[in-house]
Parts: sequence; structure tokens; C-alpha cells
Amino acid sequence: DIQLTQSPSFLSASVGDRVTITCRASQGISSYLAWYQQKPGKAPKLLIYAASTLQSGVPSRFSGSGSGTEFTLTISSLQPEDFATYYCQQLNSYPPWTFGQGTKVEIK
Amino acid sequence: EVQLLESGGGLVQPGGSLRLSCAASGFTFSSYAMSWVRQAPGKGLEWVSAISGSGGSTYYADSVKGRFTISRDNSKNTLYLQMNSLRAEDTAVYYCAKMATGYGSGSYYTMVDYWGQGTLVTVSS
Repeated sequence: DIQLTQSPSFLSASVGDRVTITCRASQGISSYLAWYQQKPGKAPKLLIYAASTLQSGVPSRFSGSGSGTEFTLTISSLQPEDFATYYCQQLNSYPPWTFGQGTKVEIK
Repeated sequence: EVQLLESGGGLVQPGGSLRLSCAASGFTFSSYAMSWVRQAPGKGLEWVSAISGSGGSTYYADSVKGRFTISRDNSKNTLYLQMNSLRAEDTAVYYCAKMATGYGSGSYYTMVDYWGQGTLVTVSS
């Protein structure tokens, strides 16, 4: 099965900061990667799919890049509502469709 | 508006069984694959199982293979997860998730575009 490793697992940042989260796959997955945001007690929310395509309604400060085994999620200017946990998920061909372990973004 | 409403969670003893349901509305249910994803308390997301729109293809994580069965009733717009031989490590919030296909990066890609609110399953004596 394909494993995903996110880094860092935790980051502390201030409003207005540029934040980058990395997701590395154990084997090449082309662009079959999605990013989700989850706030405490809530279901995850889709941010980006196909590694870099912004889901409708998601603010443009979120962007994704990468292909193959290395991917990044960037928040260009962190807003108060962005403090949450972020997960990558690989959806390469057939399941299992594994998730990364998550990156918690907290207020500095 | 897409809505996914899970039910059936609760407290069950180790070795017991439970059936989760997910009532879907706001989209043509039979046209979309569906998944179950779980989250143990304080932990990350774990994909559990998926089923094609017709129900003809099913997939499972190794951790639940042989114990859990995913199914769907397209006439009732409902997704199910039958969980047998439950273990303490199955304790989690279980989310129903709608799969979708979107165009990006020059091709079509799968993702989860909608999630239910989750139902808590606790396995404990």
C-alpha cells in the first residue's frame, strides 16, 4: 500500500504568515492527491484535488503543487479561520486510499 | 444541497456487531461511489471501505477486511457498513463520504467532496 508522510506534524504560526505543508508518497502517484481541512469536532472539508486544483468556494490563498512523490499545500496569508488540522490523501487508481497523518496548524 | 446523515453508532462490547447507515440526499446517489472513513479519538483519518455506484465493486482496508461489509441500497439512497467481530481499536467516529470525479491537471481525478457529520462507535466492555 502507498504510505503518505506529512511534515511537519505540528506548526505554530501567526495571522498573515505564509505556511507550507509537505506530503510525501512512498511511491509515485502522479497528481492523484487531495488536501482536506478539519476543525475540531467537524467533518473534513475538501480544499484541493488533483494536487493543484482548488475546490469551488475555497479561498485563493490556498494552493497546492507537486506531482509524483512530493506535494505541498501553501496558505499564502494565514487567516484566523485557517487554524485547523490539514490532511493529504492519495487516490491513485484503486483503493486503499490512504491519508497522511495530519498537520495541526496552531496560533503562535 | 448534498446531505449525508449517518446513524447506528453506539457502545458495543468487543466481539459484537453494529450496522451503520448513511442516508444520502441532494444528488443522484446511484451515480457516485461512496466511502467510509473513520477517526479514532485524537487521531488522524483512516480510510475504511469504498463501494462503486452500482454496488458491484467493494474495497476494504486491511485492518477491517473480513470483518466489515460495505453495501448500498440505491432505491433507498442509503449506504451501510456492517461491522462484525468489533475490537477496541475500531473505536472511532465513522464518516460517510461521497466520492466525486473532477477535472484538473489535464485529466480526471477522484476525491471526497462531501462528508457526513459522523457517528461515534465505542467498543468497550
